[in-house]
Amino acid sequence: GQNIDQPTEMTATEGAIVQINCTYQTSGFNGLFWYQQHAGEAPTFLSYNVLDGLEEKGRFSSFLSRSKGYSYLLLKELQMKDSASYLCAVMDSNYQLIWGAGTKLIIKP
Amino acid sequence: DAMVIQNPRYQVTQFGKPVTLSCSQTLNHNVMYWYQQKSSQAPKLLFHYYDKDFNNEADTPDNFQSRRPNTSFCFLDIRSPGLGDAAMYLCATSGGSSGANVLTFGAGSRLTVL
Repeated sequence: GQNIDQPTEMTATEGAIVQINCTYQTSGFNGLFWYQQHAGEAPTFLSYNVLDGLEEKGRFSSFLSRSKGYSYLLLKELQMKDSASYLCAVMDSNYQLIWGAGTKLIIKP
Repeated sequence: DAMVIQNPRYQVTQFGKPVTLSCSQTLNHNVMYWYQQKSSQAPKLLFHYYDKDFNNEADTPDNFQSRRPNTSFCFLDIRSPGLGDAAMYLCATSGGSSGANVLTFGAGSRLTVL
């Protein structure tokens, strides 16, 4: 079967750095996505990785290793507004998105 | 601004009373999706349309139906809502020139079943 694993919940301090890991086992690979979802709201797109390596976008970076079936989302200079769930999703060989259950990130002052 | 709009944002219905949720988009994307998301769970794909081609996920209950009368609009009909259908229903689109695989979501419709 197809599977995305990410931690259920993480806690970090305002101003610090946090890394949210995602491992996947899918039928083929056509890219990995990270979405941010605030409570009661829709997911918003953060990043897309299809090749190995690090993609940096402001305070957020996303890394991919296809050989390891592994990605992480790195959030720097954490702000209270970064408190949200972070969803990892992989597009399989049929261009279907397989979603993780999300990591709830709690930011403390 | 181009966007995906869902109505209503909040819907309360009684057990067994039909509900229709709507989604409209001004992005001119050719693919539209309906997802169901329950608290602290991954979004679950119910249906998607590639243009007018309808794709039903194998495990989507018959209680759920969908219509896409034109490129801009898509509807989700829940014929006889049960308590287990209480969830957030998310409409999304994809197919734009800037990232064909990136989904753009509407704000969601939260369904409560009494």
